[in-house]
Amino acid sequence: AQSVTQLGSHVSVSEGALVLLRCNYSSSVPPYLFWYVQYPNQGLQLLLKYTTGATLVKGINGFEAEFKKSETSFHLTKPSAHMSDAAEYFCAVSSPSGAGSYQLTFGKGTKLSVIP
Amino acid sequence: DAGITQSPRHKVTETGTPVTLRCHQTENHRYMYWYRQDPGHGLRLIHYSYGVKDTDKGEVSDGYSVSRSKTEDFLLTLESATSSQTSVYFCAISESPPGVGDTQYFGPGTRLTVL
Repeated sequence: AQSVTQLGSHVSVSEGALVLLRCNYSSSVPPYLFWYVQYPNQGLQLLLKYTTGATLVKGINGFEAEFKKSETSFHLTKPSAHMSDAAEYFCAVSSPSGAGSYQLTFGKGTKLSVIP
Repeated sequence: DAGITQSPRHKVTETGTPVTLRCHQTENHRYMYWYRQDPGHGLRLIHYSYGVKDTDKGEVSDGYSVSRSKTEDFLLTLESATSSQTSVYFCAISESPPGVGDTQYFGPGTRLTVL
């Protein structure tokens, strides 16, 4: 079974500081990788995704992530945190779930707090 | 924003009662999904649909059933609700299956409390 591990259920950063949210996955085949963000009392919205091609992926709101196959990682970064970045972030991997079908498997989420 | 609505948005019910949650989309996407979100578990797939009347089980399907009689509607039914089914339920849609890396778009969620 595929799995996604997000290191740190809570991360706090100061406004203007670097944001680094970690995601590692297990997959027997090259995966498709996603980062979603969830603001309070809302659904999830896509930040960015990796399918093929360039391993450094840029998303909305200044976020980017780099796919590193050798490390099975897809960490999310933003150079300078803003108060509006406070939310919960989910890493997800799309990979085979058996019998030719695929499934999106989510990590448990990392809640980001931004300190003024 | 993708046109996805969920109803009801909040529901409180008692153990043993049937509950049906509705997901409605205006995007004409083929694939629809039901997830549940619980603290410390992230999102887990309950059931999904790959076309009208075509559905399959996800990771946590026990105690749930689904139906899709038309493209735009995907219903999730708890035949006899239990307290362990207290959760936030999200519907999602996509044009293509997860196997091609397509984006899933999420609805606003339904908060269900089973007393």
